[in-house]
Parts: sequence; C-alpha cells; structure tokens
Amino acid sequence: SQQGEEDPQALSIQEGENATMNCSYKTSINNLQWYRQNSGRGLVHLILIRSNEREKHSGRLRVTLDTSKKSSSLLITASRAADTASYFCATRGAGGFKTIFGAGTRLFVKA
Amino acid sequence: DVKVTQSSRYLVKRTGEKVFLECVQDMDHENMFWYRQDPGLGLRLIYFSYDVKMKEKGDIPEGYSVSREKKERFSLILESASTNQTSMYLCASTLSTGGSYNEQFFGPGTRLTVL
Repeated sequence: SQQGEEDPQALSIQEGENATMNCSYKTSINNLQWYRQNSGRGLVHLILIRSNEREKHSGRLRVTLDTSKKSSSLLITASRAADTASYFCATRGAGGFKTIFGAGTRLFVKA
Repeated sequence: DVKVTQSSRYLVKRTGEKVFLECVQDMDHENMFWYRQDPGLGLRLIYFSYDVKMKEKGDIPEGYSVSREKKERFSLILESASTNQTSMYLCASTLSTGGSYNEQFFGPGTRLTVL
C-alpha cells in the first residue's frame, strides 16, 4: 500500500499565488522527500527533510514536517507558470532500502 | 552533470514478446531501482538492486525480472509482455542506502504500450 498520500489531488492557481500541497504517511520515517515531475518526464528531487527537522527552505520552496501527525506540507511561494507539474512526496523508513511514493498532486499555474 | 538514461522514450510491443528496458547511470551509484507509474497509483517499485548481481523484489515483481551485470547498468525484462504491463517505466539510482541522504536520480522514463 502507498505510504504517502498527497492532498489535494489537483490544484489550479493563478501565477503569483502560493501553492500548498499536503502529504500524510502511515509509519515512522527516516526522512521525507518532495519530487516534481513535468508531464511525461522523470522525477526531479526538490527537497529532503529529516525526521528530526520541522521546517526547511530552498528558494521559493518551504517544507514542514510534523511527525506527531505524520504529515508534511510543501509550499511554493509566488508561483510561476513553469511550476506547473505533478508533485510527489516520498518517504523512507528507518533502515529500509525502499522509498515509497504517493500518488501525487497535479499543480496547474495559470499565466 | 549527473545522468540516468533509459534506452527508449517510447516502445510498442505485442503481447507475448520479450521486452528489455535498459537503464544506465554515470554516477557510480550502488543502488538502482525500477518503478512503474500508472495514473492515480503513483510510483510502484518493481525491483531494486543494491550491488552488482544483487537484486531484491519490490512491491510488484510478478511478470518481471532484472539483470545487473555491471554497476552502471540495470535492465528490466518483461518475459512475456501482457497488455496490463502497458505503463510508464522509470529507472532511478541513489548513492547509498546506509546514509540518511538518499535523493533518487531518475531517468526520463519509457512509455511502454503492449498491444
């Protein structure tokens, strides 16, 4: 079964607005990662947050992690049309090989 | 610049054919993965390999096999392709599983259609 579940499944916003995507997971994790996928392409790693971290920033990206609620959020500020893509959260449990991906949030940014 | 390449972007095969999907990485990564991606299901792990000639089943290995004869190359084999194997196939690699940082680098994907 999928570990991470993103919410919402799809999001449509205007350029310049902020986009927030949420991810929930079920078991203890070592770290949580966010990836972006442009249509028909491979995934690109955006940011990783470790289980002992609560917030992390990278450019226009802000990720939070709440291990007590087993949830994470990805905020993209001042969105651009080029941010249009699918966004996936992925979790890795302690001592495991596998990284488990959610079904993704499709973001559409209108110019 | 790190790179993971896959042998084909698009592939059309007939039911019953044996299909080979090739993946090559130039980062000297120990770990390599094969996923399939289907709408609404996200990425599902088929097989992974943590060293040359080593392989482990993922969540959906049925109907697939893999080969890793060299560190840089990980092949996915569909022994007898079926229509339900029509999907996007993604290869990925990571440097080390033991470390806490395990960003996965993905190839561009192979969209396989089985008729």
